[in-house]
Amino acid sequence: DAKTTQPNSMESNEEEPVHLPCNHSTISGTDYIHWYRQLPSQGPEYVIHGLTSNVNNRMASLAIAEDRKSSTLILHRATLRDAAVYYCILRDVGSSNTGKLIFGQGTTLQVKP
Amino acid sequence: GAVVSQHPSRVICKSGTSVKIECRSLDFQATTMFWYRQFPKQSLMLMATSNEGSKATYEQGVEKDKFLINHASLTLSTLTVTSAHPEDSSFYICSARDPRGTGNTIYFGEGSWLTVV
Repeated sequence: DAKTTQPNSMESNEEEPVHLPCNHSTISGTDYIHWYRQLPSQGPEYVIHGLTSNVNNRMASLAIAEDRKSSTLILHRATLRDAAVYYCILRDVGSSNTGKLIFGQGTTLQVKP
Repeated sequence: GAVVSQHPSRVICKSGTSVKIECRSLDFQATTMFWYRQFPKQSLMLMATSNEGSKATYEQGVEKDKFLINHASLTLSTLTVTSAHPEDSSFYICSARDPRGTGNTIYFGEGSWLTVV
């Protein structure tokens, strides 16, 4: 599985936007970029995913570089409930894929009031 | 509400005993489920792939005789920690891929805290 690199931690102020970066320089053409987040003592939660184009949903936006070697998860207005560990994961959705995810260390986001 | 549910959410067992954790997909059928283990302040570590109607596939370094996985139906996988020891105390999490729609969404259970005393 191609590897991703994320900063260990980031801080944000409440109500401000947050940009969480992810590098994935060895991404292959069939890798989707997935983001999950894990709140304390809970299972991970799906945030967003994309392939080439930028994506928006009710939780966040995903900006993907033109060469696909990096991406940024954007939380438009951070709230205290967004404090979590955010994982950027590459997932090959070829025929052999069944939902297996390999987690890196992720980015711990702290949101200050 | 949750589409993948685990039970129990917390369990304490004595050293040497076995404990079973259940993972259910509530809204869809899952031919494959996954089991992870997470120690405090660490990331999730994939333990095994649970395959409905066949043997589980274990990741390197995970003892298949210690962590028994049974996937007897399309909505239920169980993980049994046998002869538990204090070092098995951890947060155990399951996941399943929702085959509906694009099939790109993977749901995780709420996790199960295991404490071995």
